[in-house]
Amino acid sequence: GQQLNQSPQSMFIQEGEDVSMNCTSSSIFNTWLWYKQDPGEGPVLLIALYKAGELTSNGRLTAQFGITRKDSFLNISASIPSDVGIYFCAGRSGGGSNYKLTFGKGTLLTVNP
Amino acid sequence: EPEVTQTPSHQVTQMGQEVILRCVPISNHLYFYWYRQILGQKVEFLVSFYNNEISEKSEIFDDQFSVERPDGSNFTLKIRSTKLEDSAMYFCASRGEIQETQYFGPGTRLLVL
Repeated sequence: GQQLNQSPQSMFIQEGEDVSMNCTSSSIFNTWLWYKQDPGEGPVLLIALYKAGELTSNGRLTAQFGITRKDSFLNISASIPSDVGIYFCAGRSGGGSNYKLTFGKGTLLTVNP
Repeated sequence: EPEVTQTPSHQVTQMGQEVILRCVPISNHLYFYWYRQILGQKVEFLVSFYNNEISEKSEIFDDQFSVERPDGSNFTLKIRSTKLEDSAMYFCASRGEIQETQYFGPGTRLLVL
């Protein structure tokens, strides 16, 4: 099956620092999505990217859909304590009733106040 | 804002017992999904459901699993005879006809003893 390589696996940073994480795949995806998961909760959508090369921002978050459609990155600027959580990239394959998501293994972000 | 809901939030069961996990997708959504997440691991696709039938299923979704949309609002996942390795968080997700993004519920934590 399709595999996503997400890195880094974990990050420990100081409040105010910028953060960058990325995902790569050997397969092409039609859409890249970034989710955040808090402990005991379901993934919450942060940013969705639909076209190769697309750069999208959502507040302090910026994400890009790689030109090759095999990678994506997420940047968080000026981190704050509530940014703590696990960030997952997900790639969409198929369409219509065959649409499904493949998730990366996640990046655990810890922000030290 | 509409959201996906799941019940129960936690379920403890004995090995070999049947469990039914319930989901209420967002009301105008047409595509429904189940994912699972074993503790500390990534979110894994189980099954997609559209137009009252399974669209796609993963290797994990064997004969012990079944899904059903018994009425206009609920979407259920049944595990017929639970195994220890079925212990995980189970997430339901839904998306609309045109939307590219899936919205996840808060999950059901299943513990099989």
